[in-house]
Amino acid sequence: DSGVTQTPKHLITATGQRVTLRCSPRSGDLSVYWYQQSLDQGLQFLIQYYNGEERAKGNILERFSAQQFPDLHSELNLSSLELGDSALYFCASSALSSGAQETQYFGPGTRLLVL
Amino acid sequence: AQSVAQPEDQVNVAEGNPLTVKCTYSVSGNPYLFWYVQYPNRGLQFLLKYITGDNLVKGSYGFEAEFNKSQTSFHLKKPSALVSDSALYFCAVRDPYQGGKLIFGQGTELSVKP
Repeated sequence: DSGVTQTPKHLITATGQRVTLRCSPRSGDLSVYWYQQSLDQGLQFLIQYYNGEERAKGNILERFSAQQFPDLHSELNLSSLELGDSALYFCASSALSSGAQETQYFGPGTRLLVL
Repeated sequence: AQSVAQPEDQVNVAEGNPLTVKCTYSVSGNPYLFWYVQYPNRGLQFLLKYITGDNLVKGSYGFEAEFNKSQTSFHLKKPSALVSDSALYFCAVRDPYQGGKLIFGQGTELSVKP
């Protein structure tokens, strides 16, 4: 158990809908990362937050957004969902922002299926 | 730009034999390299990392990795494979210029047969 929690574990929804994925980092970690794992794209970085502020952005669609709250949990919002958004979404956390020795610890993921 | 490559989609090994999962990297600057393992329907578990220092890095579950700067490789190894090692293995490089995000290889499916 990495100490990173994600809810829900599974999510089934329809095209055009909006969903929210939630992540709680390990105790004491200030940095949260979101990744998407799909068969065709592999594991892709989406976005990073550090202590409430956005720090880095990857290939995140405009339909997707995220935020980190004062208690350090993070939410990833996916809207106007398309079939291609079906994937496993991971959250990871680390203590600091970009220290070279930092290890990112991953949650169990949320499996999203868009029908 | 930072990148990693895992040249083998699948590696098959007999239980008790040594295993190697290959990874090569391309980075500008110092390489910060990681190995993760993903069991079916589970998240990614951290195995080990290379930041600096000794080229042989020891990690969890008896795994180790050898950093080779001249060959730009970071191969994962284990002296004696177990059936329970069967999983998907990812090599990753950290990009310190973009928030420290991880850039992953495409993954290697390791199958250990009894």
